[in-house]
Amino acid sequence: DADVTQTPRNRITKTGKRIMLECSQTKGHDRMYWYRQDPGLGLRLIYYSFDVKDINKGEISDGYSVSRQAQAKFSLSLESAIPNQTALYFCATRGTEDTQYFGPGTRLTVL
Amino acid sequence: GENVEQHPSTLSVQEGDSAVIKCTYSDSASNYFPWYKQELGKRPQLIIDIRSNVGEKKDQRIAVTLNKTAKHFSLHITETQPEDSAVYFCAASWGHGNQFYFGTGTSLTVIP
Repeated sequence: DADVTQTPRNRITKTGKRIMLECSQTKGHDRMYWYRQDPGLGLRLIYYSFDVKDINKGEISDGYSVSRQAQAKFSLSLESAIPNQTALYFCATRGTEDTQYFGPGTRLTVL
Repeated sequence: GENVEQHPSTLSVQEGDSAVIKCTYSDSASNYFPWYKQELGKRPQLIIDIRSNVGEKKDQRIAVTLNKTAKHFSLHITETQPEDSAVYFCAASWGHGNQFYFGTGTSLTVIP
């Protein structure tokens, strides 16, 4: 689904580094989400946003922060990356219907 | 918050057989239950969903059933094909715009 894009697609970094993952969408959706996916644990919600001024913590927000720069952009930051943040990260959007549309994912490795 | 449990974690079936994946949820307020398919290296994609005012929904070879009383819902795939091999996730949500709670996924392998 090219309407939701994520950059970078792959990133290797070192412990203690600050990392930003970016998500952009052209669907015009108000709602945006950040998830992380780990083997055997499914998709877990980190943060979600209903609009530019509305940011909410998900179930695993510790160690992460977000910024909703515009309706179309939602960034996830790891202030000081640690190895257990190695995971596959997905951005998703949701419009007036209930369907979530996922981006292609960012594979992050923290050494 | 909501807790969604999904079983089995892995499932192998012969091509042409049926596959059933089950999920349970804890919050009776949940009213929207989507199923996502994730092929290897790809993003999750919605394959079917059901709302709490409906007991069953079908789309060709795929069906979902919901039992609100027991708080469980199931995905049924009939006449399985090798291209059905993927990881399947169930989820639960309530209210419009609220967060989704995902199950831990089922890795389905269809053996030709």
